Amino acid sequence: DQQVKQNSPSLSVQEGRISILNCDYTNSMFDYFLWYKKYPAEGPTFLISISSIKDKNEDGRFTVFLNKSAKHLSLHIVPSQPGDSAVYFCAASEDSGGGADGLTFGKGTHLIIQP
Amino acid sequence: DAGVTQSPTHLIKTRGQHVTLRCSPISGHKSVSWYQQVLGQGPQFIFQYYEKEERGRGNFPDRFSARQFPNYSSELNVNALLLGDSALYLCASSLGLAVLWEQYFGPGTRLTVT
Repeated sequence: DQQVKQNSPSLSVQEGRISILNCDYTNSMFDYFLWYKKYPAEGPTFLISISSIKDKNEDGRFTVFLNKSAKHLSLHIVPSQPGDSAVYFCAASEDSGGGADGLTFGKGTHLIIQP
Repeated sequence: DAGVTQSPTHLIKTRGQHVTLRCSPISGHKSVSWYQQVLGQGPQFIFQYYEKEERGRGNFPDRFSARQFPNYSSELNVNALLLGDSALYLCASSLGLAVLWEQYFGPGTRLTVT
């Protein structure tokens, strides 16, 4: 049973426009959320995170929004650049203090930035 | 600075065999986590080790075991391999135990079981 769901396997966006990647979760105990980016033949790279006490976190071109009541988060990339083409994973944890439960990942969304 | 390194890069094994995968964390990192990524899925948590002790375990059978050495490197062992164990095995290191510490992933070991 998937606790973290990324329902769009792929997304194509024109260069310079906004990319919006979505993620839904079912476990209400999750209190920390992260986005990872993965290029082929490389391990995932941390992008941005958000704690459940916040509803928004920004880092340069990347912004993550959290809607706890809807159990939904989204990653916005503005403006989208060719180097953003990668697989993006949403991940969550219910143990931000101890880390013992590891991260629960979604299946990923393949973002393709069109020139 | 060297990132997380994993060996071997690729591995082909036969059903029923045993395999050992190795991971060297970033210098100074004391926590190592292992994840399994089956094709088309996201990484799935297997183990976390911190200061040489197991601190977390995912929903994997006892055929999977791991350990962390005094230099903080780690090994993942899988016994009695099944076809379903074919996957990319990722190792991640972090400074501390809490998920608040950023995890740095290695490139993974691609295991194929025939």
